[in-house]
Amino acid sequence: GAVVSQHPSWVICKSGTSVKIECRSLDFQATTMFWYRQFPKQSLMLMATSNEGSKATYEQGVEKDKFLINHASLTLSTLTVTSAHPEDSSFYICSARKTAWNTEAFFGQGTRLTVV
Amino acid sequence: DAKTTQPTSMDCAEGRAANLPCNHSTISGNEYVYWYRQIHSQGPQYIIHGLKNNETNEMASLIITEDRKSSTLILPHATLRDTAVYYCITAGNMLTFGGGTRLMVKP
Repeated sequence: GAVVSQHPSWVICKSGTSVKIECRSLDFQATTMFWYRQFPKQSLMLMATSNEGSKATYEQGVEKDKFLINHASLTLSTLTVTSAHPEDSSFYICSARKTAWNTEAFFGQGTRLTVV
Repeated sequence: DAKTTQPTSMDCAEGRAANLPCNHSTISGNEYVYWYRQIHSQGPQYIIHGLKNNETNEMASLIITEDRKSSTLILPHATLRDTAVYYCITAGNMLTFGGGTRLMVKP
């Protein structure tokens, strides 16, 4: 299957700082990328969907000014957690698919964010 | 995107077939059925997907009922490394995850 690389795998940051997570599709061009967060023993919760070159579509309850998503190229999307707080500590996962409709998506290995 | 219903957990003996059911009674005509699995603290791994015909690949088989309201993922010879949470998703534009089935493969 296709490879999606997420970086960093884990990060610890201080409250009030911002953290950027990168998601790259290594061997295909990703028209659409998704960002999820996952709390312990829970399922993945979709945060936002982004299409290359356009603004991300955020799910209800997800603050777009806090979770900045950029999908500037067909192989790279970034999620920036701004002014992070301990409650933002979570497992963040990205996925990428070649087209916007009805093709399989491939997932990154996830980023564990701990805010202290 | 249609909602799916899966059993919370299942056990399977090593070497035996694991059959994981999924109900998706509100699936739309153009939505595919996808299966992913997630091993602890990793990103989900794609397994298989299909529209209405049964599908098979090197990992698993997918059986979709004729009315498309349910499907079954079959791992033909389960190993200990197949222990994971398995997610059934019906999706067009978005991939929204439900609770999944926690499969425990036992020796």
